[in-house]
Amino acid sequence: GDSVTQMEGPVTLSEEAFLTINCTYTATGYPSLFWYVQYPGEGLQLLLKATKADDKGSNKGFEATYRKETTSFHLEKGSVQVSDSAVYFCALSAPTDSWGKFQFGAGTQVVVTP
Amino acid sequence: GAVVSQHPSRVICKSGTSVKIECRSLDFQATTMFWYRQFPKQSLMLMATSNEGSKATYEQGVEKDKFLINHASLTLSTLTVTSAHPEDSSFYICSAPTRLAGGPYTKNIQYFGAGTRLSVL
Repeated sequence: GDSVTQMEGPVTLSEEAFLTINCTYTATGYPSLFWYVQYPGEGLQLLLKATKADDKGSNKGFEATYRKETTSFHLEKGSVQVSDSAVYFCALSAPTDSWGKFQFGAGTQVVVTP
Repeated sequence: GAVVSQHPSRVICKSGTSVKIECRSLDFQATTMFWYRQFPKQSLMLMATSNEGSKATYEQGVEKDKFLINHASLTLSTLTVTSAHPEDSSFYICSAPTRLAGGPYTKNIQYFGAGTRLSVL
């Protein structure tokens, strides 16, 4: 079945450092790919998405490119801030599934220190 | 913006008791809601799809008699963990998809609750 694998956390880094969170997936067909972020005490929020190969999703300085050849959707940010401390989830939605039905990765906690 | 409210955020109960978790869409109607569970260091796993006015659809391996889902209105779905045991201790999250119309496009948006941490003693 479809699945998502993302790097384990926590990832701890200093403010203004470069952040990469790896995400790879297994799916039949052409899924849509997402990154969600969860700040403490809040629900998951959509950070960015890509719906087809070579698409790049971007938002708030974060970017991820849908790479079909490597089945990856790595999240990157060039210069993190303390406010980026959160848990980040990679997810996919299979084209055959109803909208909103997602497969999630385990989540990666990111801690940014001043 | 649209928000999904999940209650309670945390619950501790004794083994054998039942626990009800509510998921409400606050300013939109949701004919479908989803329930996920997350064990420590593991993925959010889809448990079931809650359908307003009809039976929920459960994922393989999820006991429907243990995890009762009721979607009685367009803004409320409830998950009841019946006769809870310590192995049911987990983080439960609900979500509700909706469509936002704007300009020439309709956008699919998914909103998540903040989750419920269930601890069964």
